Amino acid sequence: GEDVEQSLFLSVREGDSSVINCTYTDSSSTYLYWYKQEPGAGLQLLTYIFSNMDMKQDQRLTVLLNKKDKHLSLRIADTQTGDSAIYFCAETINDYKLSFGAGTTVTVRA
Amino acid sequence: GAVVSQHPSWVICKSGTSVKIECRSLDFQATTMFWYRQFPKQSLMLMATSNEGSKATYEQGVEKDKFLINHASLTLSTLTVTSAHPEDSSFYICSARATGVPGTEAFFGQGTRLTVV
Repeated sequence: GEDVEQSLFLSVREGDSSVINCTYTDSSSTYLYWYKQEPGAGLQLLTYIFSNMDMKQDQRLTVLLNKKDKHLSLRIADTQTGDSAIYFCAETINDYKLSFGAGTTVTVRA
Repeated sequence: GAVVSQHPSWVICKSGTSVKIECRSLDFQATTMFWYRQFPKQSLMLMATSNEGSKATYEQGVEKDKFLINHASLTLSTLTVTSAHPEDSSFYICSARATGVPGTEAFFGQGTRLTVV
């Protein structure tokens, strides 16, 4: 996970937008992913983006990809209490392995 | 999305015993499955890559004789922690990639919390 970096914590007010940032290292990564992990649970795929895209929107989620800077972000619009979780970004290594960041703990406050 | 089922979701075992964890892809075939270990408040550490019908590929530093992986069919991979010790206590998560679609998302099981006492 050391090759993928994320900020560790994010606190956001309910109803505001959350932005989680990630930097990765492998410029040959074909897919980049965002996963959500709730306490004691496995990982849930939220969304992914193919490397030839620079933006993907899926309901409240917007993924932005800056390939030049190897920067990936996840924006959650209208953040709800159910969005409190740990969010992991991941890149594909050698087209099949996933390398994860350390995870960003998002806390939604009322 | 595709479903990956992991069993058991939690297990407590005595030091020195072995524990088997199952990972099943319920509605798709998975030639490749991955086993991860997650320490509290940390990221996932890839332990090994398991390909159906062949030997698993272990990451550096992971003892293959301690963590036995078997991938006997396109829908089932097992991880056996042999002679478990308290330091093996962790959260183990498997993931599976659909056959013939390289580079697409991997689907994760719900994880198994292993506690060795």
